[in-house]
Amino acid sequence: GESVGLHLPTLSVQEGDNSIINCAYSNSASDYFIWYKQESGKGPQFIIDIRSNMDKRQGQRVTVLLNKTVKHLSLQIAATQPGDSAVYFCAENRDDKIIFGKGTRLHILP
Amino acid sequence: DAGVIQSPRHEVTEMGQEVTLRCKPISGHDYLFWYRQTMMRGLELLIYFNNNVPIDDSGMPEDRFSAKMPNASFSTLKIQPSEPRDSAVYFCASSLAGRGPYEQYFGPGTRLTVT
Repeated sequence: GESVGLHLPTLSVQEGDNSIINCAYSNSASDYFIWYKQESGKGPQFIIDIRSNMDKRQGQRVTVLLNKTVKHLSLQIAATQPGDSAVYFCAENRDDKIIFGKGTRLHILP
Repeated sequence: DAGVIQSPRHEVTEMGQEVTLRCKPISGHDYLFWYRQTMMRGLELLIYFNNNVPIDDSGMPEDRFSAKMPNASFSTLKIQPSEPRDSAVYFCASSLAGRGPYEQYFGPGTRLTVT
């Protein structure tokens, strides 16, 4: 079946380096994608979104890239900080419902 | 604003008992969502409301689960009878009509343990 998934369950990054979290999706009809961050013991928190008519969107220290040709989404975090340690979910809008992927844990190395 | 408020934060109950989870969305938000999160299945949408009306309940696992939204500031998710496999973290989220169902604000969750 169609699903939103993640390539890596865990990503370890040195503090100060850039992080890249990847996501593959299979539903070519999805028109909207979102990244959420979930810290331990908390609910997911909206980070950034992108519509399918765009291929890049930037926020504060974060950039989302969308490649519709290969159905790939990525989240780039610049100058990773200890506070970025969390599980990151990509999600897609499908029939006005948000379908979440399984998540990638970002671990920050001192 | 205090954000989305959920209660209780933790609930431990015995199999067969009724469980009621509560949610207060952010004031002015038109959409309300209930999710369940487990390690095995990830974050699953159970049901969502728009202007207090249930729009899609296709994610509700079975008849033991029911959800209500009697007014714009309160919703409940009830499990009766509860089973051990219902153990999970249940999240409530709300969003603003202008943004559609996309930019959702999540509550802190209720961790449910059914023994």
